[in-house]
Amino acid sequence: SAVISQKPSRDICQRGTSLTIQCQVDSQVTMMFWYRQQPGQSLTLIATANQGSEATYESGFVIDKFPISRPNLTFSTLTVSNMSPEDSSIYLCSVNRGQNSYEQYFGPGTRLTVT
Amino acid sequence: GDSVTQMEGPVTLSEEAFLTINCTYTATGYPSLFWYVQYPGEGLQLLLKATKADDKGSNKGFEATYRKETTSFHLEKGSVQVSDSAVYFCALGLSSGSARQLTFGSGTQLTVLP
Repeated sequence: SAVISQKPSRDICQRGTSLTIQCQVDSQVTMMFWYRQQPGQSLTLIATANQGSEATYESGFVIDKFPISRPNLTFSTLTVSNMSPEDSSIYLCSVNRGQNSYEQYFGPGTRLTVT
Repeated sequence: GDSVTQMEGPVTLSEEAFLTINCTYTATGYPSLFWYVQYPGEGLQLLLKATKADDKGSNKGFEATYRKETTSFHLEKGSVQVSDSAVYFCALGLSSGSARQLTFGSGTQLTVLP
């Protein structure tokens, strides 16, 4: 199994600022996924990050608001830009168990509160 | 499009009660199906999975059977414990381009009372 860590684990930010969330995996993986979980809600996929190419964003999410970097096969960052209180959520990263598997391992999440 | 419909919550049970959480799906092709669990303050953990029709996934006393004829993957446990209190998510695995993605249901909050 993959071990995934995220930093920070939680943060409280001011409206209008940006926060970068880091995701580190203990093994090399092709795809990394970023999800948002709004309070009391299910997980919504923000984007899929493939090393060496631009991230693929889901409907409703744009690169200017959620820029993603994927500099190598074990690391990714998600930035939440120009934050508003509506961005208060848990942000999770995940990876596939194997290249041909749908099963995903999840990080512990970053709990973001925007005031 | 592909989607997962999950039983509305919250669900409150007494310890040792029988649990069923309903999950149905809509998909083109033959998806893989999953149940994930999220304990308070933690990330998601895979609880069980099934990759083809009639497969039964099981773990920690929980079971779910992939029913193609009813497009369902209901989660059951014969005797719940207080430690089972968590949010349970049904999920469907599908391909999007080269990525193998998961689509999640809305989640069901389970509270087990002693």
